[in-house]
Amino acid sequence: AQSVTQLGSHVSVSEGALVLLRCNYSSSVPPYLFWYVQYPNQGLQLLLKYTTGATLVKGINGFEAEFKKSETSFHLTKPSAHMSDAAEYFCAVSDHFNKFYFGSGTKLNVKP
Amino acid sequence: NAGVTQTPKFQVLKTGQSMTLQCAQDMNHNSMYWYRQDPGMGLRLIYYSASEGTTDKGEVPNGYNVSRLNKREFSLRLESAAPSQTSVYFCASWYRGHRNTIYFGEGSWLTVV
Repeated sequence: AQSVTQLGSHVSVSEGALVLLRCNYSSSVPPYLFWYVQYPNQGLQLLLKYTTGATLVKGINGFEAEFKKSETSFHLTKPSAHMSDAAEYFCAVSDHFNKFYFGSGTKLNVKP
Repeated sequence: NAGVTQTPKFQVLKTGQSMTLQCAQDMNHNSMYWYRQDPGMGLRLIYYSASEGTTDKGEVPNGYNVSRLNKREFSLRLESAAPSQTSVYFCASWYRGHRNTIYFGEGSWLTVV
């Protein structure tokens, strides 16, 4: 069975500071992993994904994530936060077939 | 290319009323999904359809029915709405191919009073 745990429902950083959003997963198969971003009153947009190959994945808006199999983690980072990064972020894992499992989300607040 | 389109965007229902949320995708995807999003609970899968003509229950199917009308369309019906069904509903579609990405609609805000 697959599941996703996002540590911290709210994260607050200062503008220009490092963003680190944590995601741990459990999966009975080699996982496909995703990060999505949701801005207020909008749907979810794909930030980045890992399926196979390079474990460091770069996405849009300067975000990246590293798949660490030994730690069952897929943490999302960005070196320097912008005000426009304030949103809710969801980590997800796929079972390769038809099901996607989402974490409970982390709301990122960026302080000026 | 509209992607995933869902209607209506906003709806207020009285307890016991019925309604159908419509969803259509123009990406020729086989799989379609209905999720609900509630504060602090992330997205929970209500129903999904792996292909035209098939539907399966997800985590929270009680109180809902679905129809996969054709490859493009996947509707969600609330037969007798309850306040516990107040939520934001998202339709999504997926293609198991080189993109391997699930695409979401803009959401439908439903309030049951």
